[in-house]
Amino acid sequence: DAGVIQSPRHEVTEMGQEVTLRCKPISGHNSLFWYRQTMMRGLELLIYFNNNVPIDDSGMPEDRFSAKMPNASFSTLKIQPSEPRDSAVYFCASSLLAQETQYFGPGTRLLVL
Amino acid sequence: AQSVTQLDSQVPVFEEAPVELRCNYSSSVSVYLFWYVQYPNQGLQLLLKYLSGSTLVKGINGFEAEFNKSQTSFHLRKPSVHISDTAEYFCAVSRRNQAGTALIFGKGTTLSVSS
Repeated sequence: DAGVIQSPRHEVTEMGQEVTLRCKPISGHNSLFWYRQTMMRGLELLIYFNNNVPIDDSGMPEDRFSAKMPNASFSTLKIQPSEPRDSAVYFCASSLLAQETQYFGPGTRLLVL
Repeated sequence: AQSVTQLDSQVPVFEEAPVELRCNYSSSVSVYLFWYVQYPNQGLQLLLKYLSGSTLVKGINGFEAEFNKSQTSFHLRKPSVHISDTAEYFCAVSRRNQAGTALIFGKGTTLSVSS
């Protein structure tokens, strides 16, 4: 069974460009989480969805960040415009709504120059 | 609100030595507790979790952790480490009986095992 799939695995872009990160959760999972990992702040939640509905987006840094989940098998995290301080590893995780364990994807390493 | 404190940012040990990675948490509600491991350039993998029942939980790769409610701790232990255990370890909590809620992570502990 495939795990959580994230693309791209690495992204290098220039300041001001739009960046779109993609996530495919484990089939059947109905909760999806976006986390960001930086040296300074560690792992922090950005946003999560239950049954495709955003539940808590209080971790989204600012209006430059947006996330969507148009269906149960796909989610995107968009940064527009990107800034150097957005450089981080972005993880997607999924779980069953009735269970506690979250399964993480391999992450997208973003570098904004 | 919940918070997690991992008391050591780095733990260097020699191969075959025992190790303990310390984790304390703070919460006004009951929580579930987790340890995740992250190998270099990889995602997070669940090591073990405490949901209820026995306070000593066993996980993968020979790790175990003990939940101590009075001390609000969930320390991770292994009696004999291997070089391959070198990784970043994260303690995390989530709210009990509230499915579909996010994890709150500690800052992580880097375990470095040398020969």
